[in-house]
Amino acid sequence: QQPVQSPQAVILREGEDAVINCSSSKALYSVHWYRQKHGEAPVFLMILLKGGEQKGHEKISASFNEKKQQSSLYLTASQLSYSGTYFCGTERTVQGAQKLVFGQGTRLTINP
Amino acid sequence: DTGVSQDPRHKITKRGQNVTFRCDPISEHNRLYWYRQTLGQGPEFLTYFQNEAQLEKSRLLSDRFSAERPKGSFSTLEIQRTEQGDSAMYLCASSPLAGLSTDTQYFGPGTRLTVL
Repeated sequence: QQPVQSPQAVILREGEDAVINCSSSKALYSVHWYRQKHGEAPVFLMILLKGGEQKGHEKISASFNEKKQQSSLYLTASQLSYSGTYFCGTERTVQGAQKLVFGQGTRLTINP
Repeated sequence: DTGVSQDPRHKITKRGQNVTFRCDPISEHNRLYWYRQTLGQGPEFLTYFQNEAQLEKSRLLSDRFSAERPKGSFSTLEIQRTEQGDSAMYLCASSPLAGLSTDTQYFGPGTRLTVL
């Protein structure tokens, strides 16, 4: 079942912060975050593997709440380069490999 | 460039024609995935290979779709008798064989198919 992302779209001014949420009705074992710019491939940001884990990547970080079956992506002091559509992917194991089921995406627009 | 590559990047075809796409994964990545993405949606899983073995096919993959990965390197995705509903971006991803740990999937730039 597809995870649900919120909000569907965000418009910010450069320097502002944003939070993108990803929730699932099924138990989560890992959450994968990607960013996709228009016409380009999804680019891997980070994986969160266990409940309570937090990770950071420059000014982009994420948390994973296994109990609530949700993950949140935090973008602080946003830059123009952060614009794009953010997808979370939840894992469904297929004979040992991770088939990802993606949310519908959150479109982030950063204005100068 | 050591990333995942796909060819062609764009394909326009008439309804009823057959099309074939190619994906070259990152060298030494054992796992290869095909996804389909339509406008405004996230990628949807189509099929998965571990080396040359096709281990999973989505229900989205009708009989008109076939995928191969001979020799466990590059992969091809063929669509026969294309329909307008096949218009989408077809993405390929690869990941290394990493035992029990979760793998990062690295995506290629995709092939955008337009069926007229």
